[in-house]
Amino acid sequence: GAVVSQHPSRVICKSGTSVKIECRSLDFQATTMFWYRQFPKQSLMLMATSNEGSKATYEQGVEKDKFLINHASLTLSTLTVTSAHPEDSSFYICSASGTDDGYTFGSGTRLTVV
Amino acid sequence: GENVEQHPSTLSVQEGDSAVIKCTYSDSASNYFPWYKQELGKRPQLIIDIRSNVGEKKDQRIAVTLNKTAKHFSLHITETQPEDSAVYFCAARDSSYKLIFGSGTRLLVRP
Repeated sequence: GAVVSQHPSRVICKSGTSVKIECRSLDFQATTMFWYRQFPKQSLMLMATSNEGSKATYEQGVEKDKFLINHASLTLSTLTVTSAHPEDSSFYICSASGTDDGYTFGSGTRLTVV
Repeated sequence: GENVEQHPSTLSVQEGDSAVIKCTYSDSASNYFPWYKQELGKRPQLIIDIRSNVGEKKDQRIAVTLNKTAKHFSLHITETQPEDSAVYFCAARDSSYKLIFGSGTRLLVRP
């Protein structure tokens, strides 16, 4: 089946630094990548949608200059949290969609900003 | 945009009983409705899905029903087992192919 590899699984960073999260589709071409954020005991909230080679589309209330998304190839998308602060601590998870109309989730990244 | 509401937020059942989780959606153009099971710190796991041209789908102990007119869909788990305990999310795919999630239901199956 379709597999999306997400790294790192856990990261702790200092306030003010940037963190990059990678999602790779291993056996299919991810034409669209969705990035979600999930706070403890809450739902998955869609942050942005990116299509290969295009600029990402951000959901209302999500700062595009803070959450930089790159989808330069059909197998790799990255989310960079810039100038991270403790309130950015969350579980970030990607979901890739290819030509088969399904959604394949990465394993998630637990970000802790101290 | 699409808005998905999910009830109840918590559900406790005795092992062997049935569990029902309900969701409503707002965008009549939504055409795909998956259900996910998520364990703590893990990715959501697709357990069943239904498309808008079907009213009901069943897979062993799990079934999903869809009422397009009322814009609601439900998950039914029969003969619940302790390993069914987890958080369940419904979702709806809107006209721009975004998957919008409900707020989640924490299911506890008591042995």
